[in-house]
Amino acid sequence: AQSVAQPEDQVNVAEGNPLTVKCTYSVSGNPYLFWYVQYPNRGLQFLLKYITGDNLVKGSYGFEAEFNKSQTSFHLKKPSALVSDSALYFCAVRDPNDYKLSFGAGTTVTVRA
Amino acid sequence: EAQVTQNPRYLITVTGKKLTVTCSQNMNHEYMSWYRQDPGLGLRQIYYSMNVEVTDKGDVPEGYKVSRKEKRNFPLILESPSPNQTSLYFCASSPTQGSPLHFGNGTRLTVT
Repeated sequence: AQSVAQPEDQVNVAEGNPLTVKCTYSVSGNPYLFWYVQYPNRGLQFLLKYITGDNLVKGSYGFEAEFNKSQTSFHLKKPSALVSDSALYFCAVRDPNDYKLSFGAGTTVTVRA
Repeated sequence: EAQVTQNPRYLITVTGKKLTVTCSQNMNHEYMSWYRQDPGLGLRQIYYSMNVEVTDKGDVPEGYKVSRKEKRNFPLILESPSPNQTSLYFCASSPTQGSPLHFGNGTRLTVT
């Protein structure tokens, strides 16, 4: 069975500072990993994914994520956060041998001006 | 515009009254899925469909039914809703298993 953990319910940063949202996963094979963002009263929007290849993945809105197989982690990062990055962020994992997609509980990011 | 459309956006009903939440996508996607979002639990998968007439249970299928008679539509049916099904529901689709999901805007269901 696959699972995802987002150890922080909330992350607070000042605008212009680096932002990191943590994610660890458990899956039997090589994982498909995703990050999504949810703004208030909206559905989730895709940010980036890791399937194979380079461990550093670049995505939308200046976000990037680093796949670390030994630590089974896929942390989301942004070098300089904006107030508009304030939202709910979800990490998700899929076992390539399974059609199920499992999400973490989500991390609320607040960027203060 | 490519999109996943859910209806209704808001629904208040009473225990036991059958309801259907519709989901339609105009992107010719093979894969469709339903999730419920609850505070502190993230998104949990209810049912998914790999193609027409092919559906399977997710992590929390109890109390729900789905059908996939056409590629574009994937309705979620609650035969006898109960208060513990009060939640925010999302439909999503993707071209293939490994592709990112496109989400609808959600349906907030309240069962009293």
